[in-house]
Amino acid sequence: QKEVEQNSGPLSVPEGAIASLNCTYSDRGSQSFFWYRQYSGKSPELIMSIYSNGDKEDGRFTAQLNKASQYVSLLIRDSQPSDSATYLCAVNGGGSYIPTFGRGTSLIVHP
Amino acid sequence: GAVVSQHPSRVICKSGTSVKIECRSLDFQATTMFWYRQFPKKSLMLMATSNEGSKATYEQGVEKDKFLINHASLTLSTLTVTSAHPEDSSFYICSARPYANTYEQYFGPGTRLTVT
Repeated sequence: QKEVEQNSGPLSVPEGAIASLNCTYSDRGSQSFFWYRQYSGKSPELIMSIYSNGDKEDGRFTAQLNKASQYVSLLIRDSQPSDSATYLCAVNGGGSYIPTFGRGTSLIVHP
Repeated sequence: GAVVSQHPSRVICKSGTSVKIECRSLDFQATTMFWYRQFPKKSLMLMATSNEGSKATYEQGVEKDKFLINHASLTLSTLTVTSAHPEDSSFYICSARPYANTYEQYFGPGTRLTVT
């Protein structure tokens, strides 16, 4: 059973701070990792993808992957109230195009 | 790029009727589309994987005779909820994979179904 674990939160951070969201996965053969943002009542939106160990930066977002420790994280710098949402981690196992989603972490950025 | 649309966005139907939800990839061809449902404050639940020109693959516990999926073209997949009941009320979301060599998915805006 492939599992993707996320702390459900809520994670509360002040505006301007760095929000750190974490995700662990069970399948060592996993090759593709994604972060989606989902606002309440809306569908998920892809914000980051990462495939190799290390950091990948896109604007205020940085995805970090450590395959040896089987975790992937998302850092949001200069957090804004508009970043308040649920962040879903998704992982694709080796050879499978069907992702496994975590339950998501609720992020609240307060002014 | 990679825009997915869904129609309708909201639908209310009476118990026992059928509802069809359309999912379209607007600017790309999608050989694979996915159908999910999501209950309030719960995680996404994959219902089925839809491949163009072939039968959908349903996840365990999903009734294929109740949730009919048709992927007739590379840009259109439909989900029909047959003989709907109040417990089918949920948020149904489709997604599509635009690139054969990656696993990125792009989601449609979702359809909120209410069965009365």
